[in-house]
Amino acid sequence: GENVEQHPSTLSVQEGDSAVIKCTYSDSASNYFPWYKQELGKGPQLIIDIRSNVGEKKDQRIAVTLNKTAKHFSLHITETQPEDSAVYFCAASIRNNDMRFGAGTRLTVKP
Amino acid sequence: DSGVTQTPKHLITATGQRVTLRCSPRSGDLSVYWYQQSLDQGLQFLIQYYNGEERAKGNILERFSAQQFPDLHSELNLSSLELGDSALYFCASSVASEYTGELFFGEGSRLTVL
Repeated sequence: GENVEQHPSTLSVQEGDSAVIKCTYSDSASNYFPWYKQELGKGPQLIIDIRSNVGEKKDQRIAVTLNKTAKHFSLHITETQPEDSAVYFCAASIRNNDMRFGAGTRLTVKP
Repeated sequence: DSGVTQTPKHLITATGQRVTLRCSPRSGDLSVYWYQQSLDQGLQFLIQYYNGEERAKGNILERFSAQQFPDLHSELNLSSLELGDSALYFCASSVASEYTGELFFGEGSRLTVL
């Protein structure tokens, strides 16, 4: 089955700096790669996703890149703000019921 | 607010006991997924139901079971509880089963087994 590895496990940046989180996956058949943000005491919430026919997707300060050949994808957050502090999870799947999540990255943005 | 409701939010019980976690999916969503999140762990998929039928099983223990009722709410039953079952249990819902798209998560039920 699919195995998703996520790095780093913790990341601390200064407000205004960029943050990058990287994930690798094992199943070349995976074609959907979402990123979820989990704030303290809340459930995960989708912030951006990318499908295998696209190499990059951007939404304001957030972007995701996908390299299918190397089987890795990354989340980029620019101009970080304190409210970006949360745990971020990447995932890979073919269908929703086989979605595999990474172990998470705890991002801290220091004012 | 995702529209997914989970109860109870917190639950403390003893080893050997049995508990039931409840989930009401987002209006219109037919598919319900259960995930377990242990301390500093990612989300482990347990089981999925679609319109009342079991669709997929993940790393769900035999001591755990689930069902989805005609009104589409779902319950996760955890029995013969062990200390290691202490975790956050999330329910998520989506419109369909065989496509890939956004999962809407509830706020979770935190289970503590003493």
